[in-house]
Amino acid sequence: SAVISQKPSRDICQRGTSLTIQCQVDSQVTMMFWYRQQPGQSLTLIATANQGSEATYESGFVIDKFPISRPNLTFSTLTVSNMSPEDSSIYLCSAYPGLAGGRADTQYFGPGTRLTVL
Amino acid sequence: AQSVTQLDSHVSVSEGTPVLLRCNYSSSYSPSLFWYVQHPNKGLQLLLKYTSAATLVKGINGFEAEFKKSETSFHLTKPSAHMSDAAEYFCVVTSGGYNKLIFGAGTRLAVHP
Repeated sequence: SAVISQKPSRDICQRGTSLTIQCQVDSQVTMMFWYRQQPGQSLTLIATANQGSEATYESGFVIDKFPISRPNLTFSTLTVSNMSPEDSSIYLCSAYPGLAGGRADTQYFGPGTRLTVL
Repeated sequence: AQSVTQLDSHVSVSEGTPVLLRCNYSSSYSPSLFWYVQHPNKGLQLLLKYTSAATLVKGINGFEAEFKKSETSFHLTKPSAHMSDAAEYFCVVTSGGYNKLIFGAGTRLAVHP
């Protein structure tokens, strides 16, 4: 299993600014992901955070808006850039301990970061 | 492409009565399926998972789900609801071999005394 923590747990930001969210896993994991959960909505995958290389973004999400870093096997950051009120969401980090491309097993989720943009 | 449809956005039951949360999936290959629960202001917790072993899967807190390939369904059930079961429930399918998760829209379960 994996225990995931996120910082900050919540924040209120002004439009036009940027916020970096940190995700820390208590053990080395193969894959890490970032999701967005807009108010009253389900979760949507933003990107796969790749260790030592550029993240892989899903359709509708771009690196300039959501730069992601993953310097090692236990840590990743997501930055929400040039924020607008539409970016108000919960951002969740998840980790998959298993083999990349292997049979899907449990993904573990962090508690989320609740972002409000004014 | 993989997708999942949760047939009910809201379900309301009385405490002590059975719970049924419906989920249908679409997948071009043998999928892995999950149910996650999200309590208010809390993170996601895995209830149970199906990964091609037994079709009847038992999870935590008395929940179980049955994988029915012929019906492309993976409904979540519990014999007797408890007040603490009130939460948002997500049916999830994997996408390809890359372990990406596709979430359903969610079902909000309300439990009344």
